[in-house]
Order: sequence, then C-alpha cells, then structure tokens
Amino acid sequence: EDQVTQSPEALRLQEGESSSLNCSYTVSGLRGLFWYRQDPGKGPEFLFTLYSAGEEKEKERLKATLTKKESFLHITAPKPEDSATYLCAVRAVDNYGQNFVFGPGTRLSVLP
Amino acid sequence: GAGVSQTPSNKVTEKGKYVELRCDPISGHTALYWYRQSLGQGPEFLIYFQGTGAADDSGLPNDRFFAVRPEGSVSTLKIQRTERGDSAVYLCASSFTGGNSPLHFGNGTRLTVT
Repeated sequence: EDQVTQSPEALRLQEGESSSLNCSYTVSGLRGLFWYRQDPGKGPEFLFTLYSAGEEKEKERLKATLTKKESFLHITAPKPEDSATYLCAVRAVDNYGQNFVFGPGTRLSVLP
Repeated sequence: GAGVSQTPSNKVTEKGKYVELRCDPISGHTALYWYRQSLGQGPEFLIYFQGTGAADDSGLPNDRFFAVRPEGSVSTLKIQRTERGDSAVYLCASSFTGGNSPLHFGNGTRLTVT
C-alpha cells in the first residue's frame, strides 16, 4: 500500500530562519511526487512536481528535492506570508486508479 | 481562467438527511477527483472520474456515498442518511489526463452534520 508521512507535524520559524520540511514515501514505483500549499479555508494550491531522484525545483524562497525514499521542501529566509500547511502527495506507477496519495501535512508558522 | 468551483461552500445538515455537493471543474479537464479532508489531516481519496465514468471508486467509505458526472463536466457527490462522522471538508480537484498533470483543487465544501 502506498504511504506518505511528513515531518515535523508543525514548525514555527522566525522570519528569515531557513529550514526544511520532510516527506517520506513508500510506493512500489513512483510516477511523481507533488508539493502543495494549503491556506486555512482554501483548497491545496499546486507548487511542484518531481519525477526522479536527484531532481530539484525552485520557486521564490522554496526549493524541492527528491531522493528514492523522500523529498525535502527547503524554505530559505521565510516571510510571514509563507505560513501555511504544506502537503506532499505521490502518484504510483502501478496505481490503476490513478489517484494521488497525500501525507498529513506540515503546519508552518513564520513569525515576524 | 476560472478555477475549480464548489458549491455550497458550507452545508449544515441534520443526522439522517440527504445532501448533494457540486463540483464544476476547470474547462477542458477530463479527470475529476473527490477527496475528503478532516481537521489536521491530509486529503483522503474518495473517487476518480475519467470523463463520465467512475474509473476508481475504491475510496468511497460505504454505500451511502455516491457520485456522478453525467456529461463529463460537472460532478455531484451525494451522501444519503448522513452521520456525524461524515462531517469534513469535501474537496474536488480536476486535471488533464495522462502524464503527471497536477491536481487543481477547489476551496471545498465544509459539511457539518448535527
């Protein structure tokens, strides 16, 4: 069964204090790993797709990396507006249903 | 362009009642998904449509839950004999088919069963 875990569950940072969020996954074959941002009362907003180990994607203060077992979302010099829940999801090669399996998320708070 | 639209944004119903939740996907997206999200949890898969047909309904928790997409666009999630445990945010997402097209989500319907 495809599984996704995320750590930490919650993270509080001071503005400008860089850190990383972890997403660990277990799938029989990875088709893609997806990062989303979710603000309170909103649906998840797509950030990145990673396909293979060693791949990296960047967007503003965020950089996502991928290994064979996990992905990291690095946040450099965060600002209060980066506060949100960050979700990762996997899509497996052998998933006939094509569905995306989500992790529980990391709640990030960036304090001014 | 317009994103995924879900109505109503909030629904309060009494235990035992029937509810319908509507999703209007992004134009041109052939794949449509329903997820359920409880407080502090990630989205949990319910059902996936490819066009008009349900390609995977393995996430529907029991036979009180049913979804349709009769014309391959708008979808309705139907819940019969609602229970308090059905209270959650119901999210709809759509995408292009094939490859690794990401899901694009609506803002959800918050269902509260009293």
